[in-house]
Parts: sequence; structure tokens; C-alpha cells
Amino acid sequence: EAQVTQNPRYLITVTGKKLTVTCSQNMNHEYMSWYRQDPGLGLRQIYYSMNVEVTDKGDVPEGYKVSRKEKRNFPLILESPSPNQTSLYFCASRPTGERQPQHFGDGTRLSIL
Amino acid sequence: GDSVTQMEGPVTLSEEAFLTINCTYTATGYPSLFWYVQYPGEGLQLLLKATKADDKGSNKGFEATYRKETTSFHLEKGSVQVSDSAVYFCALTTAGGTSYGKLTFGQGTILTVHP
Repeated sequence: EAQVTQNPRYLITVTGKKLTVTCSQNMNHEYMSWYRQDPGLGLRQIYYSMNVEVTDKGDVPEGYKVSRKEKRNFPLILESPSPNQTSLYFCASRPTGERQPQHFGDGTRLSIL
Repeated sequence: GDSVTQMEGPVTLSEEAFLTINCTYTATGYPSLFWYVQYPGEGLQLLLKATKADDKGSNKGFEATYRKETTSFHLEKGSVQVSDSAVYFCALTTAGGTSYGKLTFGQGTILTVHP
């Protein structure tokens, strides 16, 4: 089954404790992206990757890092999480072609205390 | 920059009622338009799309028409069901420039359908 898999689905942690949210896709997509969803704001892009070893900032990159060492994986790293990063996070991927729709994972709900 | 504005929710309807969720956009290029749906506890699923003016996207009884002259992409369904209760997002993407196909989303509209 074609899918985007995120882990963990839920995480409660404390300020300053480094964490990584993993994302993996099995569709051989070149493009991957991370979004955060906040009430009243819709989804906003954090980082994206056009292909292996090619990443760039989205609209709200502060406080986040990413890497793309393999085509299928695109982890999101919070090196020193803060309460304002409490949110619902989605990973997405799409094939080559900027007008292609993106496929989303089921989301990761992070709570930073 | 690009932006999407959706009608504010929440929207509450009775089963079999007619649904309209308004969506308007501004875009620097020629956008492709999407409606995504998010059921409780799940990720976003593509509901329908349209890539050029006057295209009509349709799926599961939902429809939306790409209106370039009014920069709109309103979502409609003739008879909603309880199972349609979800959050609906209008979104666009443009090719070229520095966006690299980034999705720009509206704020989402919560739909609740009662039996």
C-alpha cells in the first residue's frame, strides 16, 4: 500500500530535550515536505526537499532541522524544543511535477511542556 | 505571496442538506487548486483537484469549479452524510519561481453533519 508513515504519532516532552520525528514514504517520490498545523492558521510549510541531499526552508523553519540522506526518509529534528512548537505535524511527499498533489502521513501531535 | 481564504466555520448541517464551503485565492502565477479532507485522527487526503480555468474537480459527490475570473474554488455537495463530518482545506500550488510546488493552505473549515 502506498503510504507516508510518521513516528511517533503522539509525544509529550519537555523544553530543551532534543527529539526527532521520522517520516518514510514507499512511493519513490522525489519531493518531501514537513508542515505544521495550528488552529486558525491551516498548514504551514516548515522545510522541503527536492531530492536526496537537497533541502530548503519553507515558511516557518525557525527551531527545526531536516536531513535527506535517503530518498524514502525525511526526518524532522527539534534540537531544543520550546512550547511554541507544540503543534500537529504532517509529512508529505509527491512525485516530480510541481502541480502534482501531495500525499500526507497521519500526523504527529507534539506537546512541549 | 500566495494566499487562500476559506469561509469561517464551523459549519453544522443536517443530513441530506446542501453544502457550500467558499474558497478564494490570490496567486502570483497560474495555480493548481485542491480540496483536502481531514477526518478525525487522520492525515489529509486529497478530495479533488483542478489544474486550469473552468475545470471541475469531483469525487465522492463533492464538486468544485476553478473560476479564474472570480479567483474562487468553492466546494459543494448536494446531500451531505454524517460520514462527511471532517475538516476541509482549500489549497493551491504554483509551478516555477521559488515556491517549488509548495502547497498554500486555507485555515480549514470544520464540518459537522447531524443525523
